Amino acid sequence: NAGVTQTPKFRILKIGQSMTLQCTQDMNHNYMYWYRQDPGMGLKLIYYSVGAGITDKGEVPNGYNVSRSTTEDFPLRLELAAPSQTSVYFCASSAPGLSTPYEQYFGPGTRLTVT
Amino acid sequence: KNEVEQSPQNLTAQEGEFITINCSYSVGISALHWLQQHPGGGIVSLFMLSSGKKKHGRLIATINIQEKHSSLHITASHPRDSAVYICAVRWSNTGNQFYFGTGTSLTVIP
Repeated sequence: NAGVTQTPKFRILKIGQSMTLQCTQDMNHNYMYWYRQDPGMGLKLIYYSVGAGITDKGEVPNGYNVSRSTTEDFPLRLELAAPSQTSVYFCASSAPGLSTPYEQYFGPGTRLTVT
Repeated sequence: KNEVEQSPQNLTAQEGEFITINCSYSVGISALHWLQQHPGGGIVSLFMLSSGKKKHGRLIATINIQEKHSSLHITASHPRDSAVYICAVRWSNTGNQFYFGTGTSLTVIP
């Protein structure tokens, strides 16, 4: 299993541009999450999904959109990029389990700079 | 306000030392997650706890639900343990969302 994969690894955007961060997991997990990590701060939840077709906002959803058309994929869309969206973005997935229910598995992250 | 606090923020240890990292939280939780973030940025799950104690190799995690406190211990520390250790909690009333502490940066010197 590849686990959780994210593309791209790095990206530089100009203010006002748009882009999609891709996230795919091959563990058949029903829960998927998008976080951002800013220097000196804990990870903040942007959006999450409990299954295909179901998404919900987290703590910091403004400026982002998501969709979940399949169990495997959970893309994050940035519209009209702003410097405040410069961050490292992590995708994660989890599922019910017997020993460690909802333990989160993280992708490698995408480092985004908006200038 | 629901909060997760970790201490210390930064920790330097000599190789071989016993290390303790603390996590305190403000209200009831249904689970606590310890994670390790490598210098390259990747995040790996270490433990998921709802009570008691878990051990994996040189790592031990404990949780005291009444005191709203968890500790992560590293025995016989090694330079490869150098990383940021992150505590995350799932509040009892927030489904499967986790809230993260700011992390403890550990450096183990040979």
